[in-house]
Amino acid sequence: AQSVTQPDIHITVSEGASLELRCNYSYGATPYLFWYVQSPGQGLQLLLKYFSGDTLVQGIKGFEAEFKRSQSSFNLRKPSVHWSDAAEYFCAVAPTSGTYKYIFGTGTRLKVLA
Amino acid sequence: GAGVSQSPSNKVTEKGKDVELRCDPISGHTALYWYRQSLGQGLEFLIYFQGNSAPDKSGLPSDRFSAERTGGSVSTLTIQRTQQEDSAVYLCASSPGLQAYEQYFGPGTRLTVT
Repeated sequence: AQSVTQPDIHITVSEGASLELRCNYSYGATPYLFWYVQSPGQGLQLLLKYFSGDTLVQGIKGFEAEFKRSQSSFNLRKPSVHWSDAAEYFCAVAPTSGTYKYIFGTGTRLKVLA
Repeated sequence: GAGVSQSPSNKVTEKGKDVELRCDPISGHTALYWYRQSLGQGLEFLIYFQGNSAPDKSGLPSDRFSAERTGGSVSTLTIQRTQQEDSAVYLCASSPGLQAYEQYFGPGTRLTVT
């Protein structure tokens, strides 16, 4: 069955420190891959997406993610975290054919220490 | 331009009552999605529409849940005979089409069943 795993439920980092949020997926082929962010009381906003091509993708707010086919991973990174990055982050996969049913991970809640 | 809107933003209902949740997608977006987000959980796919058609209803939790979309625009998610386990945030998203498109999310409707 298709699935998305975000192993870290909570992560705490200090402001200015680097960040990596993990995402692993299980899918029959390479799916489309997304990272979304949800700030408290807000809807989800797309940070970045991977469809094909260059495995390192750049997104908004200084985020990037690297697709690693061999590891079925799509980890999100940021070199220097800002206090405003505190939010919940969701990894999602979408099929490349058939039913267009997006699958989301359970999310990683990021806390940033001043 | 206007984003995805959802109404009501909050709904408190008694167990056994029916509720209707409304989603107004971005104008021109042909695809519309409903998700459920329970406390501490990821996003659970419920149903998607392409135009007024719902090709995949497999995510609806039970036959108490139904959804429709009219005129390729507004969608309504109806929950009949609500149960306490239906308490969650219901999110709607729209996109320009299916497959590989970013989903634009509304702020959600928080449903509390007492």
